[in-house]
Amino acid sequence: EVQLVQSGAEVKKPGESLKISCKGSGYTFTSYWIAWVRQMPGKGLEWMGIIYPGDSDTRYSPSFQGQVTISADKSIATAYVQWSSLKASDTAMYYCAKTFAAGSYDDPFDYWGQGTLVTVSS
Amino acid sequence: EVVLTQSPGTLSLSPGERATLSCRASQSVSNSYLAWYQQKPGQAPRLLIYGASSRATGIPDRFSGSGSGTDFTLTISRLEPEDFAVYFCQQYGSSPRTFGGGTKVEI
Repeated sequence: EVQLVQSGAEVKKPGESLKISCKGSGYTFTSYWIAWVRQMPGKGLEWMGIIYPGDSDTRYSPSFQGQVTISADKSIATAYVQWSSLKASDTAMYYCAKTFAAGSYDDPFDYWGQGTLVTVSS
Repeated sequence: EVVLTQSPGTLSLSPGERATLSCRASQSVSNSYLAWYQQKPGQAPRLLIYGASSRATGIPDRFSGSGSGTDFTLTISRLEPEDFAVYFCQQYGSSPRTFGGGTKVEI
């Protein structure tokens, strides 16, 4: 069974750093792109960026370039997104999701993680 | 980037009725690489339709997608109680990938 299991909810202060994770299982982790998607409270979905764990090829949305860093550790089948200095506006639910077909970047997302709620407040 | 505009913002219908949701792109979506997702409160999105008209695994045939170029439609032929949710379209033919703002289907 394919699963993406994300790390737990986080409460942070502005200026703090954070790294959240997404562990894949039930499929060949290195063969599918994994994306990160933001959903601010009561709002829609925003594509942040995507990584191919096989070779760490990473692409970012211009809106998130320089704001976050996406990475993956294929030895433990886990993808990450990290912030070096959080802002209150980073408060949101963050989802990871994998692409539909092996090796294909031009694909929808067929499996999603359960989401990680990040709250940034002083 | 490709901007996706969904309409209406909210659709108020009754079980058994037909729902028609629209997704309009600011420029042509390459290869009709357009997907639809359903999201219920407290849950992650679920893939319904990809390639504009192909149903994902396990999706009932009351869900159908159509369209090409810049205009796409998701149709739910007869609403079941479990279909009341928010629906998002997404294009995956151009970078960055983008989502529409969503349509809420409410009772």
